[in-house]
Amino acid sequence: ILNVEQSPQSLHVQEGDSTNFTCSFPSSNFYALHWYRWETAKSPEALFVMTLNGDEKKKGRISATLNTKEGYSYLYIKGSQPEDSATYLCAYSGGSNYKLTFGKGTLLTVNP
Amino acid sequence: EAQVTQNPRYLITVTGKKLTVTCSQNMNHEYMSWYRQDPGLGLRQIYYSMNVEVTDKGDVPEGYKVSRKEKRNFPLILESPSPNQTSLYFCASSLTNGVNTEAFFGQGTRLTVV
Repeated sequence: ILNVEQSPQSLHVQEGDSTNFTCSFPSSNFYALHWYRWETAKSPEALFVMTLNGDEKKKGRISATLNTKEGYSYLYIKGSQPEDSATYLCAYSGGSNYKLTFGKGTLLTVNP
Repeated sequence: EAQVTQNPRYLITVTGKKLTVTCSQNMNHEYMSWYRQDPGLGLRQIYYSMNVEVTDKGDVPEGYKVSRKEKRNFPLILESPSPNQTSLYFCASSLTNGVNTEAFFGQGTRLTVV
């Protein structure tokens, strides 16, 4: 089983703070990296799918970068709001199989 | 509305009693998969399917079966459930091969085996 590590495990920030967290994955045989947002009692929802080294994607106040050579991706949230509180999951695919391996997630809590 | 529908949402059953969790998608997606979520662990893939009649094992397939007779449906079968299969289960679908397009998740099924 491939190792996908996310840090930190949890994070508390104040409303208005900007924050970022990390996803580390194997740098060999990279195929794709996904980010999902998972609110309590709901289903995970896709934020980004990235496939190219150097990719940067943005959706509103949330953006992500990808470095496949060193095996990491950053997720940034600018001006955090209480509604951003959720678990953020990354998932990696590599090699010739068609499987996604998920990290354990980063639990973000934004205090008003 | 584009969606992935799982049923039931909640299920309590006894050890050894066969059960099926259904999953249906209305987006004509080729790729479907099942995951389980346990405390302290990430989503772990149980089985996946690239298309009709094409299924393959994920990382934790033991104790589960699947079938893909139609494109829209991908049921998860527990022939003889055991307490260690108590978990939150998600079905997901993707447009193509499941890795370079986003996954759409169902609402989840919380299963308790006593």
